[in-house]
Amino acid sequence: NAGVTQTPKFRILKIGQSMTLQCTQDMNHNYMYWYRQDPGMGLKLIYYSVGAGITDKGEVPNGYNVSRSTTEDFPLRLELAAPSQTSVYFCASSYGTVIGPDTQYFGPGTRLTVL
Amino acid sequence: DQQVKQNSPSLSVQEGRISILNCDYTNSMFDYFLWYKKYPAEGPTFLISISSIKDKNEDGRFTVFLNKSAKHLSLHIVPSQPGDSAVYFCAASLVTTGANSKLTFGKGITLSVRP
Repeated sequence: NAGVTQTPKFRILKIGQSMTLQCTQDMNHNYMYWYRQDPGMGLKLIYYSVGAGITDKGEVPNGYNVSRSTTEDFPLRLELAAPSQTSVYFCASSYGTVIGPDTQYFGPGTRLTVL
Repeated sequence: DQQVKQNSPSLSVQEGRISILNCDYTNSMFDYFLWYKKYPAEGPTFLISISSIKDKNEDGRFTVFLNKSAKHLSLHIVPSQPGDSAVYFCAASLVTTGANSKLTFGKGITLSVRP
């Protein structure tokens, strides 16, 4: 199993450009998440999905959009990129347990710079 | 308002000695606490968790202690090894309708284990 894969690994965008960060998991997990990590900070939840066709906002959703058309894929769309979106983006997935710790598995991250 | 706090940004210990990483939280409704480990250029990986109904959980060299009255948890690594050098994130899970999967992360502690 590849686990959670993310593409691209690195990207430089100009202000106002748009792009899609790809995320795929092969563990048949129900839940998927997008986080961003700014320097010296913890991970902040952008969006999450509890299953295909269902998404919801996290802590910092402004400037992003997501979709979940399949169980495996959860792309993150940046429209009108801004310097404040310079960050490392992590995708994660989990089975989605109701009781007990629901371990999240993370991808390797995408380092995005907006100039 | 930070609900999960890791107030010490870094810790350096000698190989073979104990590493103690601390974490404080403010929300008494958190029901699970997790530690994630992150190497540079990789995504976080799950290390160990503890339920709010326990005060200790052990897994090999790693032990997590929870003091609910003080809203404090700590991760003990004994003995510390150079390969343990990484950033350690404390995270807390809050039960929400349908799942307990949403995590709140601290800023992380950089552990350096000196040979």
